[in-house]
Amino acid sequence: GAGVSQSPSNKVTEKGKDVELRCDPISGHTALYWYRQSLGQGLEFLIYFQGNSAPDKSGLPSDRFSAERTGGSVSTLTIQRTQQEDSAVYLCASLGTGRNYGYTFGSGTRLTVV
Amino acid sequence: SQQGEEDPQALSIQEGENATMNCSYKTSINNLQWYRQNSGRGLVHLILIRSNEREKHSGRLRVTLDTSKKSSSLLITASRAADTASYFCATLRGDSNYQLIWGAGTKLIIKP
Repeated sequence: GAGVSQSPSNKVTEKGKDVELRCDPISGHTALYWYRQSLGQGLEFLIYFQGNSAPDKSGLPSDRFSAERTGGSVSTLTIQRTQQEDSAVYLCASLGTGRNYGYTFGSGTRLTVV
Repeated sequence: SQQGEEDPQALSIQEGENATMNCSYKTSINNLQWYRQNSGRGLVHLILIRSNEREKHSGRLRVTLDTSKKSSSLLITASRAADTASYFCATLRGDSNYQLIWGAGTKLIIKP
């Protein structure tokens, strides 16, 4: 597609439930990132996918968080047994080849755990 | 951990004035990027400056990079109300192909 698409744009869930967030990157972009942003804060790196390489999961805050990227395109971020501290905006970004290009971000999913 | 640090944390100026935001970082970099974020949602890439560049322009934006001081500045000239947003710097580390390190951002308010 023309841009990075994320869904849902907003999600309210009860504490303890599982949620799935989806990211559809720009077609042909091999690199995909998930970030989390709490209110008024900078971006916190969660996970990075590059082609068929093993993802860099070093930013995932706990084992309740997991992500996959199927067929090198769409990615889903799953949060199990959500907690109130998981409330944040979850941003996805994709990047084409080469280092000297800016990332393209989706509009994010605002997750609220009540 | 966040490497980039923007200052000021918040800036409020009158429409038409120039706005300057600064970013400092700690490690060697490949490039430094500035992004804008409206209403706490998706970020928009504004400008990228490579480590061997000192200044770059894009419309009303001017970015400088001083690698000896490990700092960068973003200047927005003739500010408009629509420039109201948060501005973030991000650095691509010299030893990394992909990991951007983000600052906490500067919140810019343009008063009409």
